Amino acid sequence: GQQLNQSPQSMFIQEGEDVSMNCTSSSIFNTWLWYKQDPGEGPVLLIALYKAGELTSNGRLTAQFGITRKDSFLNISASIPSDVGIYFCAGLNFGSSNTGKLIFGQGTTLQVKP
Amino acid sequence: DADVTQTPRNRITKTGKRIMLECSQTKGHDRMYWYRQDPGLGLRLIYYSFDVKDINKGEISDGYSVSRQAQAKFSLSLESAIPNQTALYFCATARSSYNEQFFGPGTRLTVL
Repeated sequence: GQQLNQSPQSMFIQEGEDVSMNCTSSSIFNTWLWYKQDPGEGPVLLIALYKAGELTSNGRLTAQFGITRKDSFLNISASIPSDVGIYFCAGLNFGSSNTGKLIFGQGTTLQVKP
Repeated sequence: DADVTQTPRNRITKTGKRIMLECSQTKGHDRMYWYRQDPGLGLRLIYYSFDVKDINKGEISDGYSVSRQAQAKFSLSLESAIPNQTALYFCATARSSYNEQFFGPGTRLTVL
C-alpha cells in the first residue's frame, strides 16, 4: 500500500533548540495530520491541516500543508524535555476521503537532552 | 471528558487461544478503527466501521475479526492467536465528514 516518507527517523537535540521534520508522498493529499505518541500511550492529535499552503500553530508547534499537496512540515520551537516522543504524520488522499483511511508515516523519534 | 478507552491495557496469552480486545468511546463518533503498531512498521489498519453492523477490512485483516455491538463499542478478536500477532493495538474514532482520528491508550498484546 501507499506509504509516507517521514524524515528524519530520529533526532537527538539539546534543550532549547528548534526541531524540523517532514513527510512526503507520491500522491496528492487533501488532509495532513500530525500526532505525538508518548511511551506506552496512544497517539495524540497535535495539528490538522486541510488546505494547501495552510500554516497552523499550536503553542510552540507549527505545521504547514505543502503547496504541492504532497508534503507537510512540523516545526517545534525552543524544545523542552517533555517534547520527547515519537511524532507521526498522517495523510488522507482524495481516493480515501469516503473511508477516512489514513496513511501514516513511520515516525520521527525525538530525544531532548536537558 | 469525552474519551476513548481500551481494555485490557496489557495481555499475555498463549498460541492458539482466542482473545478479545475491547474499545469504548464517549465521543459520540460514528466511525471506529482498529490499528496495529509494530516497531519500524508504523500504524497499520486492521478493520474499520462506519456504524453498527458496518464492517470493512483494512490492509491486514487476516487472522482478526471485529464486532460493532453498539455505536460506542468496537471489539477486536483473535480467533487463534499466533506469536507474530504480538504488537500494540490501538482503537481510534472519528466523526463522519471529519478526517481527524482520536486514539485510545492502546493494548499491549503478547502471544507466547
